Amino acid sequence: AQSVTQPDIHITVSEGASLELRCNYSYGATPYLFWYVQSPGQGLQLLLKYFSGDTLVQGIKGFEAEFKRSQSSFNLRKPSVHWSDAAEYFCAVGSNTGTASKLTFGTGTRLQVTL
Amino acid sequence: EAGVTQFPSHSVIEKGQTVTLRCDPISGHDNLYWYRRVMGKEIKFLLHFVKESKQDESGMPNNRFLAERTGGTYSTLKVQPAELEDSGVYFCASRAVYNSPLHFGNGTRLTVT
Repeated sequence: AQSVTQPDIHITVSEGASLELRCNYSYGATPYLFWYVQSPGQGLQLLLKYFSGDTLVQGIKGFEAEFKRSQSSFNLRKPSVHWSDAAEYFCAVGSNTGTASKLTFGTGTRLQVTL
Repeated sequence: EAGVTQFPSHSVIEKGQTVTLRCDPISGHDNLYWYRRVMGKEIKFLLHFVKESKQDESGMPNNRFLAERTGGTYSTLKVQPAELEDSGVYFCASRAVYNSPLHFGNGTRLTVT
């Protein structure tokens, strides 16, 4: 069964500092990987996704993530955090077979940004 | 284009009562999903519709939950009777075709007291 681990429940960074949110997954085949962000009162917004090809993927809002098969990881990074990035971030893995397309999410990492 | 709309945004009910959540997907999206997040835990898949048919309902917790999607447009998720452990945020999502981005609604926060 597929699973996702986000080891950090809560992270605090200063505005302008770099950010890395960790995500490890368990999946039997080549995974589809996603990062979503949920701002207060909002739905989940897709930041970026990895299906195949280049292991470094660029997303919206200046985020990027790197797929490392050897480490079963898909960590999210941003070189300089803005106060508006304060939100909860979810890593997810999806099946890539046929029409099976449900996502398995991690427990989320809540990001706090100090000024 | 309008996004995925969920109604109500919040619902507070007593144990034993019935609640119906509604989701309006993006127009033209055949695939509709329900997910749930119980406080502090991961967001879990409940079920997946393709048009009006249930493609996968493996995540439905028990038979107190009933999802429908009549006519392949909006969907409802009924909880009857509600229990305390049903409290959480229920998300709906839709996508046009397999492999296209999944669009989420803002969720319905359900509190069972």
